[in-house]
Amino acid sequence: AQSVTQLGSHVSVSEGALVLLRCNYSSSVPPYLFWYVQYPNQGLQLLLKYTSAATLVKGINGFEAEFKKSETSFHLTKPSAHMSDAAEYFCAVKRTGGFQKLVFGTGTRLLVSP
Amino acid sequence: EAQVTQNPRYLITVTGKKLTVTCSQNMNHEYMSWYRQDPGLGLRQIYYSMNVEVTDKGDVPEGYKVSRKEKRNFPLILESPSPNQTSLYFCASSVPNQPQHFGDGTRLSIL
Repeated sequence: AQSVTQLGSHVSVSEGALVLLRCNYSSSVPPYLFWYVQYPNQGLQLLLKYTSAATLVKGINGFEAEFKKSETSFHLTKPSAHMSDAAEYFCAVKRTGGFQKLVFGTGTRLLVSP
Repeated sequence: EAQVTQNPRYLITVTGKKLTVTCSQNMNHEYMSWYRQDPGLGLRQIYYSMNVEVTDKGDVPEGYKVSRKEKRNFPLILESPSPNQTSLYFCASSVPNQPQHFGDGTRLSIL
């Protein structure tokens, strides 16, 4: 069964610093992988998705993620954090083909300090 | 504007009093899902629907019912709510193999 593991329930960075949020997946078939962001009192918004095309995926708001099959990882990065990036981030995996369940990680809350 | 609309956004109720959370999407999506979000557990799928009159259980279906009589609506029904169903609920919709669009959430408190 597909699953994702997010390392670190909280990550703190200073404004302007590199953001790195970790996600490792488990899947016996080529996965579809997603990163979602949740701002306070809002639903989830798609940041980016990997669907077996380019391994480096660029998303909205300057975020990107790299699919590394050898490491079963799909870490989310941003070169320079902004205060507005403070939110909760979820990694998710979905099997290819038809309707398959979207399995979420437990989330990582990003805190950005001035 | 493309959106998934949930109602109510907030509800405080008591154990055993039946309630329904509505979900409606205006994107003509075939697929719809319900999730609950709990601290430290992320989002877990409750039920999903692949099309009208086609529904199936997710990971945590106990205590919930759904129906899909129309393509745009996918209500979540708690026949006899209990305190362990206090949670933040999200409805989502999509077309096959495309990312899901989420509603803004419904915060339920069962006393």
